[in-house]
Amino acid sequence: AQSVTQLDSQVPVFEEAPVELRCNYSSSVSVYLFWYVQYPNQGLQLLLKYLSGSTLVKGINGFEAEFNKSQTSFHLRKPSVHISDTAEYFCAVKVATGKLIFGQGTTLQVKP
Amino acid sequence: SQTIHQWPATLVQPVGSPLSLECTVEGTSNPNLYWYRQAAGRGLQLLFYSVGIGQISSEVPQNLSASRPQDRQFILSSKKLLLSDSGFYLCAWSGGGGNQPQHFGDGTRLSIL
Repeated sequence: AQSVTQLDSQVPVFEEAPVELRCNYSSSVSVYLFWYVQYPNQGLQLLLKYLSGSTLVKGINGFEAEFNKSQTSFHLRKPSVHISDTAEYFCAVKVATGKLIFGQGTTLQVKP
Repeated sequence: SQTIHQWPATLVQPVGSPLSLECTVEGTSNPNLYWYRQAAGRGLQLLFYSVGIGQISSEVPQNLSASRPQDRQFILSSKKLLLSDSGFYLCAWSGGGGNQPQHFGDGTRLSIL
């Protein structure tokens, strides 16, 4: 069965510092990969997606992610974070049935 | 553009009472529809999904049920709520293509007393 592992449950970082949120997936077939952000008491908002083509994907709010097939990873990065980036981040893989398999999430805490 | 609406935003219910949460999608036709629960902690658990009117697939055994009476309407129900039903319920939709992302509503915070 396919699975998604987010290696860090919490990532504290100072404002304007770079950040990387790690995500690994298990799959023996082609996958579609997504990153979502969830602010407190809100639904999930799509940050970016990898479907095919270039392995570096740019999303909203200055985030980007790199698909690495050999390492089965899809890490999320931002060169300089803001206080407003404090939120929960979810990595997800879409399986053949159309369902999304989510990681357990990473809490990004941006400190002033 | 497409939008998704969930209501109510918050709900406090006693144990044993019934439940009805509604989700509607605008601006698209024949969407795939999903209900998730997010318990305290943070993981998302897929409860139900639907690829068409009257077609419901259940992911986990529980005392919840789902219905899709219209193309863009998805309802989550229970006849008798349990304490363990507390959580944050999220509805989502996607297009029919295999590479289509899911788009989420703002969620319903359900507290069982």
